[in-house]
Amino acid sequence: ETGVTQTPRHLVMGMTNKKSLKCEQHLGHNAMYWYKQSAKKPLELMFVYSLEERVENNSVPSRFSPECPNSSHLFLHLHTLQPEDSALYLCASSQDPAGAYNEQFFGPGTRLTVL
Amino acid sequence: GQQVMQIPQYQHVQEGEDFTTYCNSSTTLSNIQWYKQRPGGHPVFLIQLVKSGEVKKQKRLTFQFGEAKKNSSLHITATQTTDVGTYFCALNAGNNRKLIWGLGTSLAVNP
Repeated sequence: ETGVTQTPRHLVMGMTNKKSLKCEQHLGHNAMYWYKQSAKKPLELMFVYSLEERVENNSVPSRFSPECPNSSHLFLHLHTLQPEDSALYLCASSQDPAGAYNEQFFGPGTRLTVL
Repeated sequence: GQQVMQIPQYQHVQEGEDFTTYCNSSTTLSNIQWYKQRPGGHPVFLIQLVKSGEVKKQKRLTFQFGEAKKNSSLHITATQTTDVGTYFCALNAGNNRKLIWGLGTSLAVNP
């Protein structure tokens, strides 16, 4: 248990559905991240929030919409996804707002399947 | 942009054999982190290297940072079945706040 929880753990959705992924960290960290992990690809950073402000947006399609209401919670809102969006979505947090100098603590991930 | 190469992509060893994975960058790095992801699990932080030529040990794991700070290696002595998983390097060139991840090396250990 890393102190970062994600719900749901598994999600199957159709291309016209709207769903949200939730992440909560209990570590008192300042930065939170969304990553996409697909087979045979490196971890893809999607979004970074530092002190509740979005500081990184890696050219992610608008069908993914992040929300960070406070430093402990992070959401990823999904709508009109494509089958190629099927992947493991990982949330992470770190203590340093800079993100690249301190370890990142990952949640267990949400396994998303888009039909 | 910055590129990272991690080799090999896969490694299959007999229990008790040694294992090494290498991470190479196209640019000089500020720091490098190593993570392990067990099958069905999530990445877990192992270590961070910051200084040129740095060597750190964790039991049977030895981590090295190259003198030029462009490459790193993770060596496992006498592998055990508990070492199974994918080992990732994550690089920081210092020009932004995000880590650049390698593809990972998947290690399988035959008992």
